[in-house]
Amino acid sequence: SQKIEQNSEALNIQEGKTATLTCNYTNYSPAYLQWYRQDPGRGPVFLLLIRENEKEKRKERLKVTFDTTLKQSLFHITASQPADSATYLCALDHSTDKLIFGTGTRLQVFP
Amino acid sequence: DAGVIQSPRHEVTEMGQEVTLRCKPISGHNSLFWYRQTMMRGLELLIYFNNNVPIDDSGMPEDRFSAKMPNASFSTLKIQPSEPRDSAVYFCASSLAAGATETQYFGPGTRLLVL
Repeated sequence: SQKIEQNSEALNIQEGKTATLTCNYTNYSPAYLQWYRQDPGRGPVFLLLIRENEKEKRKERLKVTFDTTLKQSLFHITASQPADSATYLCALDHSTDKLIFGTGTRLQVFP
Repeated sequence: DAGVIQSPRHEVTEMGQEVTLRCKPISGHNSLFWYRQTMMRGLELLIYFNNNVPIDDSGMPEDRFSAKMPNASFSTLKIQPSEPRDSAVYFCASSLAAGATETQYFGPGTRLLVL
């Protein structure tokens, strides 16, 4: 069956370091992958979209990679700040209209 | 724009009662999605609409769940009768158009607790 895996354990890093979150998928061939941020008690907020023919996408301190051979996306936050602390969700297209979300990884950035 | 509006924000009810969750999408958005989020299963798509028409309800857990979108600015998700296992946060999201490349804008969610 189709499956999206994100590290369920929280990622704790020190301010200023680069945070790297992983999204792995199986039995999928997605054309697009999105990353969302979710703060406690709030809905997810869109961050970035990357297409299967794009190896890398950047937006300010964020960088996303998409490796269709490894079936993996990496999400990087450089020069991390305590304000980056949140849960980050990856989402893959399951059909032309639907997104399937991973369970998310909680990031905690300590000053 | 006020964003996606959901009501109520919190709902506590007893098993067997009917629960109705409401959503107002962003004006001009043509697609609307209902999700359920739990710790165990994450964010699951229940149903989505394009131009007020239900397109895919394969995520609706069972017949106790129903959703309607009578017009472009309003949708409801109803659970009847509710059960404790329905306890979760329910999100409504909207997007400008259909398609997996479209950004989905989420509401604040309704936290449902069924006793």
